[in-house]
Amino acid sequence: DAGVIQSPRHEVTEMGQEVTLRCKPISGHNSLFWYRQTMMRGLELLIYFNNNVPIDDSGMPEDRFSAKMPNASFSTLKIQPSEPRDSAVYFCASRDEQGIRETQYFGPGTRLLVL
Amino acid sequence: AQKVTQAQTEISVVEKEDVTLDCVYETRDTTYYLFWYKQPPSGELVFLIRRNSFDEQNEISGRYSWNFQKSTSSFNFTITASQVVDSAVYFCALSQNSGYSTLTFGKGTMLLVSP
Repeated sequence: DAGVIQSPRHEVTEMGQEVTLRCKPISGHNSLFWYRQTMMRGLELLIYFNNNVPIDDSGMPEDRFSAKMPNASFSTLKIQPSEPRDSAVYFCASRDEQGIRETQYFGPGTRLLVL
Repeated sequence: AQKVTQAQTEISVVEKEDVTLDCVYETRDTTYYLFWYKQPPSGELVFLIRRNSFDEQNEISGRYSWNFQKSTSSFNFTITASQVVDSAVYFCALSQNSGYSTLTFGKGTMLLVSP
């Protein structure tokens, strides 16, 4: 079975550019999470969707960050404009609320470098 | 508020040694889940185990074992006869067992196993 799929795996961009990260959750999972990992702050939850609806976006750093989940099989995290301090690894994770509850399965991550 | 503490930032062992990674948690919930994830040098986050707060039985999976003690709010992870491939960052995490639950991660413990 395919796991969580993220693209791109690596992204290098210049300050001020728009960055879009993509995630395809595990088929049948109805919750999706976006995390950011940095050396300084560790793993931080950015936003959590359940049945495509944002439940908790308190971790989204500022208005430059936005996330959407237009359907059950796709989500995007957008940063506009990007800044060097946004450089991090961004993980997407999904969970099945009806099956094996509470276990989040993570994608391989997107390494973002903003110059 | 929930909190997970992994006091060991980095542990170095020689192959074949046993090693225990400590995890202490804080929660006001009476029911909750505890997790361990592994992050190898390649960067992905791999789910290892989930434990329900009702189940204090220790678990063994090959060279891995977990000791859950509610009395001390600890969920320690032991690797027996460590191998170089065990080198990774290990994260302990906690979630509620109700509603729209999210994961609270510890800072992680970096395990270095040398030949």
